[in-house]
This record gives sequence, C-alpha cells and structure tokens, in this order.
Amino acid sequence: QKEVEQDPGPLSVPEGAIVSLNCTYSNSAFQYFMWYRQYSRKGPELLMYTYSSGNKEDGRFTAQVDKSSKYISLFIRDSQPSDSATYLCAMKLGAGSYQLTFGKGTKLSVIP
Amino acid sequence: EAEVAQSPRYKITEKSQAVAFWCDPISGHATLYWYRQILGQGPELLVQFQDESVVDDSQLPKDRFSAERLKGVDSTLKIQPAELGDSAMYLCASSPDRGGISPLHFGNGTRLTVT
Repeated sequence: QKEVEQDPGPLSVPEGAIVSLNCTYSNSAFQYFMWYRQYSRKGPELLMYTYSSGNKEDGRFTAQVDKSSKYISLFIRDSQPSDSATYLCAMKLGAGSYQLTFGKGTKLSVIP
Repeated sequence: EAEVAQSPRYKITEKSQAVAFWCDPISGHATLYWYRQILGQGPELLVQFQDESVVDDSQLPKDRFSAERLKGVDSTLKIQPAELGDSAMYLCASSPDRGGISPLHFGNGTRLTVT
C-alpha cells in the first residue's frame, strides 16, 4: 500500500459543477497538506496549503483535512474549463521535514 | 511573480549518452529540490540542497546521477549514462526557508526522452 492514495480518474464534469477531489493516506504523522494543480507539460502549481485538520477556503477552492480519517479533499465550486488539469495532493511531516509525498494525481476535464 | 527557471524544456537523447539539466531557483530561496515525475505518477524526490549542501540524496541513483549547487544558487542535475527507464519529467523546486515550513514552488520541468 502506498503512503498516499489518489484516484487517477479521469474525471469529467460539466462547466459550473462542484468538483470533489480526494486523497487518503496511511501515515498519521503527516501534518502539512497541499494541493497542486498541474497543466499539461507544466510544473505543479501550489493551490492550497494547510496545517493539521480543518477547512481552508480560497476563492472557488476549499481544502478539507480530516486527520482522524486520514482523508483530505479539495472542492472546486463553479468549475470552469480553465480548471481542466491534473490535481496532485501532497503531504509532509512536521516542521523540519522537507520531503513531500505526492499522490498520483487526478486528471480533471471541465466540459463547456 | 518570480519563477523557478529550468532548461532545456525538452531533451531527447540516446541510451548511454550523458545529459544535463539546469535549474535557477527563485532568488533568495535557500532550499532547492530535484524531483522526477514519471508519466501518470506524482513527483518523487531525487535530491535536496540547503544552500550548497546536500541534505537528502537517499533516492538519487548515484551510480549514474549526480547533482551540484556549487554557489548555493543555481543547480545542475546530470545523468551518465542515460537508460531507457530515465524517460520522465525532471522538476526543480525551491522554497525560501530552511525549516521545512514554506511550500515548494516548482519550475516547468525538463521532459527527457531516452531512445
């Protein structure tokens, strides 16, 4: 079992839909949780960065972390065709730990 | 907005040849990372520098890969000899702090194809 599991999709939704992307993990010591967006032939771009459990909102994006269930989510409201990309979850141990552990990424297509 | 610069963007090489990738992190960023991303997978860490020192190279195949960051600024990753299984995207990332708190900022990578 990999440390971080993420459904690779692909996921296809109509424009305006609410998108839910998820990751599960096995290492309860992870404390920092991130979501990156990666367009084709580009590097990952940081979307959300959260510490420990709870919710964080930024515009149309909401990140949720449930450490008790070892489950993190990214919600995208009013999805746009420009949101079509691969979404990677990533996580790391506490401060002083540098290595990120990534999921495989979920490929999302938003259809106009 | 400042970016991590990488070159070349694409590289095609034959098996057993040598290849080199270059990265210029965001100015002032102390920590620099090289990741490898195989198609359909998440990035995996190859080597991490803090300033000019290697912090972690436990996942770097040292028989063929080498990395340096001589003046603590830009960095070079080299593969010699290249093998078919090295075909992947090589990503450079940097972060400003030395405490591992700040998130990583990635460049757009070098896509390597080994034939």
